[in-house]
Amino acid sequence: AQSVTQLGSHVSVSEGALVLLRCNYSSSVPPYLFWYVQYPNQGLQLLLKYTTGATLVKGINGFEAEFKKSETSFHLTKPSAHMSDAAEYFCAVSDHGNEKLTFGTGTRLTIIP
Amino acid sequence: DAGVTQSPTHLIKTRGQQVTLRCSPKSGHDTVSWYQQALGQGPQFIFQYYEEEERQRGNFPDRFSGHQFPNYSSELNVNALLLGDSALYLCASSSGTSGSQREQYFGPGTRLTVT
Repeated sequence: AQSVTQLGSHVSVSEGALVLLRCNYSSSVPPYLFWYVQYPNQGLQLLLKYTTGATLVKGINGFEAEFKKSETSFHLTKPSAHMSDAAEYFCAVSDHGNEKLTFGTGTRLTIIP
Repeated sequence: DAGVTQSPTHLIKTRGQQVTLRCSPKSGHDTVSWYQQALGQGPQFIFQYYEEEERQRGNFPDRFSGHQFPNYSSELNVNALLLGDSALYLCASSSGTSGSQREQYFGPGTRLTVT
């Protein structure tokens, strides 16, 4: 069965600093990988996804993630944090041709002014 | 263009009762998935409906059932509510060729509290 591990349930960074949120997956074959963001009292919004092709994926709001098969990782980064980035971030995985998403437990990102 | 809508926003029920949650997919979408998000956890897949049939199901008991209507809207029903059913219930919709990987759009969720 697939699983996703997000290291660090809480991450705090200063405004303008690098954001790095970690995600590792467990799957017998390279899956599809996703990052979602959830603001308070709202649903999930897709930031970016990896399916096939280029391993460096760019998403919305300046975020990007790199798929590293050898490390089974899909870490999310943003060069310069903004106050509006404060939210809960979820990494998710699915099998090819299967829309069922398996989510990690989430990382709450706090931005320090 | 309206996105995914869910009703009600909040709901309080008593143990043993039954509840129905509703979801209207994004315009043009034909597939609806339901997820349960317990406090402090990531969403967990309950089931997915396509062409009015349950296409796949997660590890949830039969107390959780659903329905999809001809207009693609969907209902999630939970019988014999337990305290552990308290959670945010998210609906997601998608469209495209069956079996292909399609982007899922999530609604704002229904917060269910069981007392």
